[in-house]
Amino acid sequence: GIQVEQSPPDLILQEGANSTLRCNFSDSVNNLQWFHQNPWGQLINLFYIPSGTKQNGRLSATTVATERYSLLYISSSQTTDSGVYFCAVVTSGTYKYIFGTGTRLKVLA
Amino acid sequence: EADIYQTPRYLVIGTGKKITLECSQTMGHDKMYWYQQDPGMELHLIHYSYGVNSTEKGDLSSESTVSRIRTEHFPLTLESARPSHTSQYLCASSEYSRQFRGVYEQYFGPGTRLTVT
Repeated sequence: GIQVEQSPPDLILQEGANSTLRCNFSDSVNNLQWFHQNPWGQLINLFYIPSGTKQNGRLSATTVATERYSLLYISSSQTTDSGVYFCAVVTSGTYKYIFGTGTRLKVLA
Repeated sequence: EADIYQTPRYLVIGTGKKITLECSQTMGHDKMYWYQQDPGMELHLIHYSYGVNSTEKGDLSSESTVSRIRTEHFPLTLESARPSHTSQYLCASSEYSRQFRGVYEQYFGPGTRLTVT
């Protein structure tokens, strides 16, 4: 089956710093989403981005489907950005989501 | 945005008990999912449903069962809880994307943290 790998696995930032999170997938996909899981365990939709670029405030995402990767950019990080970031993909012919291993982000004040 | 509700949010129960975790959504989504997740780790799909009376096992072997009698309701049942079932259980549903026809966007409930003693 498709493999979804995220990097880096862990990241510590000082408040105000910028960062880039990466999601690589091993096969073509119909769908890709980025989620943020907060310290209480709730998964929050960040982006629904099978291809192209989207921006929402300090966050933006780019998916290059032909090269099988997606990037999540966090600018001017805040302590509330801490948590785990997951990407999830759906392959052709299925509606099942396959999650990556996550990036654990900690932003220090 | 979808509204997805899970109850209970926290549950501590003894070994051997039967439990049902509830999940409901109010948006009429036809696809629903159950995931199991250990703290901070990746999510594993344990059950999913494409619609009423349609359920499938996911990629992670699970001793739980599910039912889908109504579109909005997708409960998960453990017949005999064991300490190895201690985990967080997340319910999700997905909708049709108008922008990318035939592709679905997924929304999650708040989760149930289960501890089996």
